Amino acid sequence: AQTVTQSQPEMSVQEAETVTLSCTYDTSENNYYLFWYKQPPSRQMILVIRQEAYKQQNATENRFSVNFQKAAKSFSLKISDSQLGDTAMYFCAFMKPSAGNMLTFGGGTRLMVKP
Amino acid sequence: GAVVSQHPSWVICKSGTSVKIECRSLDFQATTMFWYRQFPKQSLMLMATSNEGSKATYEQGVEKDKFLINHASLTLSTLTVTSAHPEDSSFYICSAGRPGNNQPQHFGDGTRLSIL
Repeated sequence: AQTVTQSQPEMSVQEAETVTLSCTYDTSENNYYLFWYKQPPSRQMILVIRQEAYKQQNATENRFSVNFQKAAKSFSLKISDSQLGDTAMYFCAFMKPSAGNMLTFGGGTRLMVKP
Repeated sequence: GAVVSQHPSWVICKSGTSVKIECRSLDFQATTMFWYRQFPKQSLMLMATSNEGSKATYEQGVEKDKFLINHASLTLSTLTVTSAHPEDSSFYICSAGRPGNNQPQHFGDGTRLSIL
C-alpha cells in the first residue's frame, strides 16, 4: 500500500515571498504519478501541478514548481511570488495507474499568505 | 470549465431520511469514479470506488448498506446515504478521470450534508 506524508500541518508566508511545501511518499511501484491539489475555503479541489515518475525533469506551472527526488521519494511544491489567493489547503497525492487511477492523499498543509 | 459536476452542493435534512448525491462527468466517459468523505480540517478519505456496470468497491470500515453507490451509466455515479443520522454529516466529494493512465482526477465541487 502507498502512503503519503505531509509533515507541515500549517505554514505561512508573506505576500510576494517564496514558500516550499514538503511531501514524501512510500511505494514499491515504478510507474506512478504525483500531484499537488489546492483546496481553498470554497472547498473545490483544484489541480495545481502533476509529475510523471518516469520523467526526471521537474514540472513547472507558472509560479508553481516541484522538486521531485525519486530515489528519496520526495515531492515538494514551491510557490514563488506568493499571492493572497494562494491561501488554501494543499494536498499531495499519489496515483497508481494499475489501481484505476485511484489517488492516495497526504494529510494536507494549510498555507496562509499574509499581506 | 468544470469537467465533473456534483449535485446538490448543500443538503439539510432530518434524521432518518435518505439523501442521494449525483456525480457526473460532463464531457468524457468515466468507467471509474471515486467517492470521498472529508471532515473539517482533515484530508480526503476514500470511501469507495464506483465501477460502471458492476458493484462498487468499498474501503475498509465503510458500511456498504449505509452508503449505496450506483454507477449505471458511463457519465453518472450516485451516492445514497440511507437513513442518515447526525454522525453522517460531512463533506462528500467525488472524482473522475478521463480515460488513460496519465489522466488526473477531476473533482466535483462537493456536497455539504447536514443531518438534523
